[in-house]
Amino acid sequence: EIVLTQSPATLSLSPGERATLSCRASQSVSDYLAWYQQKPGQAPRLLIYDASIRATGVPARFSGSGSGTDFTLTISSLDPEDFAVYFCQQRRNWPPLTFGGGTKVEIK
Amino acid sequence: QVQLVESGGGVVQPGRSLRLSCVPSGFTFSNYAMHWVRQAPGKGPEWVAVISHDGSKTYYANSVQGRFTISRDNSKNMVFLQMNSLRGDDTAVYYCARDMTTNGEAVQLLDYWGQGTLVTVSS
Repeated sequence: EIVLTQSPATLSLSPGERATLSCRASQSVSDYLAWYQQKPGQAPRLLIYDASIRATGVPARFSGSGSGTDFTLTISSLDPEDFAVYFCQQRRNWPPLTFGGGTKVEIK
Repeated sequence: QVQLVESGGGVVQPGRSLRLSCVPSGFTFSNYAMHWVRQAPGKGPEWVAVISHDGSKTYYANSVQGRFTISRDNSKNMVFLQMNSLRGDDTAVYYCARDMTTNGEAVQLLDYWGQGTLVTVSS
């Protein structure tokens, strides 16, 4: 089973600042890495798939990069609606699909 | 628009059974694989199971293999999760999610999720 480790656990930033989130896989997942956003009391929302492709309707301020074992989600300028928890997910080796433990982006 | 509505959650004693249902709308259900994913309080999502668009293939997480069964009824537009021999660590919000199926093949990306139904396993 591929383990995904996200860092940091919490990121404290102000609106307008740049957010950089990391996801590291225990073995190569090629570019089969997705990112999801989850707000309190809501279901996760697909943001990025195949490491860098934005899902339908996702603002351009969200971008993904990386391949192999190291991946980054960047939010270029935080909007107030972006404060949430972000999870990565791999689909290279399944079953099972696996998710990371999450990074919470909170208002500083 | 795409909607997924789960039901069937509740409080159940260890060792008992529960059946979750998911009713999708806004898309051609029979064209898409469907997943169940659960999330314990304060934790990341945990994938549970997937069923192919036509119901011919199913896959499970090791933690539920042999206890849970995913199924679907394309004539009624519903997907189910039968959960037997429930344990305390099955306590979670259970989400039904659509696979971003392409040309009939599941791709293991979850593009729409329901709001979830809470399952609490406790004596």
